Amino acid sequence: NAGVTQTPKFRILKIGQSMTLQCAQDMNHNYMYWYRQDPGMGLKLIYYSVGAGITDKGEVPNGYNVSRSTTEDFPLRLELAAPSQTSVYFCASSTSHTNLEAFFGQGTRLTVV
Amino acid sequence: AQSVTQPDIHITVSEGASLELRCNYSYGATPYLFWYVQSPGQGLQLLLKYFSGDTLVQGIKGFEAEFKRSQSSFNLRKPSVHWSDAAEYFCAVVTTSGTYKYIFGTGTRLKVLA
Repeated sequence: NAGVTQTPKFRILKIGQSMTLQCAQDMNHNYMYWYRQDPGMGLKLIYYSVGAGITDKGEVPNGYNVSRSTTEDFPLRLELAAPSQTSVYFCASSTSHTNLEAFFGQGTRLTVV
Repeated sequence: AQSVTQPDIHITVSEGASLELRCNYSYGATPYLFWYVQSPGQGLQLLLKYFSGDTLVQGIKGFEAEFKRSQSSFNLRKPSVHWSDAAEYFCAVVTTSGTYKYIFGTGTRLKVLA
């Protein structure tokens, strides 16, 4: 059972470039989340999804987009990378039906230069 | 608005000493509370959770936490710390009004002295 898988693990982007962070889960969870983690700031919610076809903004959505075409996948898109988006990004999933435990991926360390 | 406060950014304890990490939350309804641990370069792993019932909950790795509604607190404790407990610890509250969203504290980094 793979859990939550994020790719890539590391990436360096130039200012203005775009990229997609991939996230997949195999637990049939309806909820999926994207967080960014900055030193001393904890985890900030970027976007979340309560099921396929349904997404909503979190605390810090500017500069990002998401889609949820399947239950398994929840990619995060950066259209015009900026230095302020240098961070570690975590994808997580949970189910609303049982114990609400969130399962996290290993993270993607993104540097924008 | 819902929020979670972890007042201690860094804590250093000696191996074998007891540990308490503080967490205060602000949430209007009955909260669902969690503690997660993050080892360097890793994602977050669940230590324990509180939904209802007994206010003292046991978790993995010998951790426990106590929910105190009157103090809006959910402090994490361990009687004897091991060097492998060095990590960052996050308290979180899950909002249950409509959708489930996790709100995390800023984390407490634990250093363990040999």
